[in-house]
Amino acid sequence: GDSVTQMEGPVTLSEEAFLTINCTYTATGYPSLFWYVQYPGEGLQLLLKATKADDKGSNKGFEATYRKETTSFHLEKGSVQVSDSAVYFCALDAGGTSYGKLTFGQGTILTVHP
Amino acid sequence: GAGVSQSPSNKVTEKGKDVELRCDPISGHTALYWYRQSLGQGLEFLIYFQGNSAPDKSGLPSDRFSAERTGGSVSTLTIQRTQQEDSAVYLCASSLAVGTPLRGEQYFGPGTRLTVT
Repeated sequence: GDSVTQMEGPVTLSEEAFLTINCTYTATGYPSLFWYVQYPGEGLQLLLKATKADDKGSNKGFEATYRKETTSFHLEKGSVQVSDSAVYFCALDAGGTSYGKLTFGQGTILTVHP
Repeated sequence: GAGVSQSPSNKVTEKGKDVELRCDPISGHTALYWYRQSLGQGLEFLIYFQGNSAPDKSGLPSDRFSAERTGGSVSTLTIQRTQQEDSAVYLCASSLAVGTPLRGEQYFGPGTRLTVT
C-alpha cells in the first residue's frame, strides 16, 4: 500500500541554521506530494505541494523537490527561525482509487533555539 | 472567512459509552475528511465525503465507527462503545472538489481530543 516515511525526530537547531527533513514515499501511480505543518496550539495547515516529478514546491522560505527517481520529497530551509518550531508532516495523495485521501508520515518535531 | 470548526474541543468519556464529534467545514467545500491523530499511529485517514457520492469508509478501524454528513455540510463522527484505544485527537478537514488541481489541499480544523477512561 501507499506509505510515507519521514526522518526520526525531534530535530533541534539554532536560529539561522540549515534545515533538512527527509521524506520518502511508496505509491503506485503518480502521487501528489505535500508538506503540512502544525504550529503549537494550531491546526494542521498546508505548507507546500508538488504534483509531478521535478516540480519544486516553495513557501515561507521552505522548499521541496519531487524526485521520482529516488521517491523523495525532502523539506529544506536555508535559515530557520524560532517561529519555525512546529511539527512537520510529509504526505501524499496517491490518486486513483485513493483519490482525495492523504497518507501522512509520522511527523518530525522541529525546535529552533535563539 | 471562517475556517473548519469542530466541537467539542475536548471530550472525556467512560469506556463503553457512545460519543459524537461534530465538524463544520468551510462553506462551499464539497469534500470533507476525518482523520485520527494518535501517538502510536500518527495521522490516519478514517473516512471522506465528496458531494453526493457514497462516502469512502475504507479507513474506519471497526464497525463501532460511523459518520454522516447532512445536507452536504455538517458532519458527525460517531464512536459506539468506546474503548481506551480510541483515545486520540480526531481531525476534520475540508477541501474544494477532489478532482481538481487543488487535489490534496485540505483545510484542517483544530481537532477534538477524545480521552476514554
